[in-house]
Amino acid sequence: DVKVTQSSRYLVKRTGEKVFLECVQDMDHENMFWYRQDPGLGLRLIYFSYDVKMKEKGDIPEGYSVSREKKERFSLILESASTNQTSMYLCASSLQTGGGRVRPQHFGDGTRLSIL
Amino acid sequence: GQSLEQPSEVTAVEGAIVQINCTYQTSGFYGLSWYQQHDGGAPTFLSYNALDGLEETGRFSSFLSRSDSYGYLLLQELQMKDSASYFCAGLLTGGGNKLTFGTGTQLKVEL
Repeated sequence: DVKVTQSSRYLVKRTGEKVFLECVQDMDHENMFWYRQDPGLGLRLIYFSYDVKMKEKGDIPEGYSVSREKKERFSLILESASTNQTSMYLCASSLQTGGGRVRPQHFGDGTRLSIL
Repeated sequence: GQSLEQPSEVTAVEGAIVQINCTYQTSGFYGLSWYQQHDGGAPTFLSYNALDGLEETGRFSSFLSRSDSYGYLLLQELQMKDSASYFCAGLLTGGGNKLTFGTGTQLKVEL
C-alpha cells in the first residue's frame, strides 16, 4: 500500500513565522502535490512537482514556496505566515501519466495549521 | 477559469440510491475522477471516467457527459459507512496528472 506521511497532524504558529510542512511518500512516485482544503472550496492546488528539483505553481501559490531535493520528500514553506493561511493542508503523490490516462492520487492525513 | 460545482449536502436513508452531481465550466479536462473523504481522513480515489458513459465499480457508478459538461456519482444500497464527503475532480490536459477539485458534497446516510 502507498503511504504518504505528513510530519504533523496539528500545528499552531504565529503570524510572521516561517513554517515548514513536510511530506514523505514511500512508493517512488514521480508526482507530488500540495493542496489546501477549506469548507465550501474543495481542495485547491498550491504547488506541484513532477521530478526532483522541478516544481510548478498551482492555482493559489501566493505566499507559499516548495522544495523537492529528494524524490520521496516534498516540503511546503510558508515564507511569512498570515492568519488567512489557517487551513487544512494535504499532500498527495502519484505515478506519472499522460495521454488522458489518470493515476490515482494518494493523500496523506493532512496537517491542520492554525496561524495566530 | 476552471470550476466544478457540486451540491453542498445530500441526505439519504440506508439502503437507498443517491446521485451526486458535478457540473463544470471548462474545456480543458481529459476526464472526471471521484474521491471520497471521511471526516478527519484522507481523500481516497473511487473512479475515473475518460469517456462518456457509465462506469460501474460495485455499489458505486460514475457517469460523464462531455457535451453537457456534467457528471455524477451514483451510490446504491447505501450504508452508514458511506457517510462522507465526495469530490469530483477534472484531470487537466497538459500532463502531470493534475486535478482541479470540485467544491465537495457531504453525504449523510440516516437510518
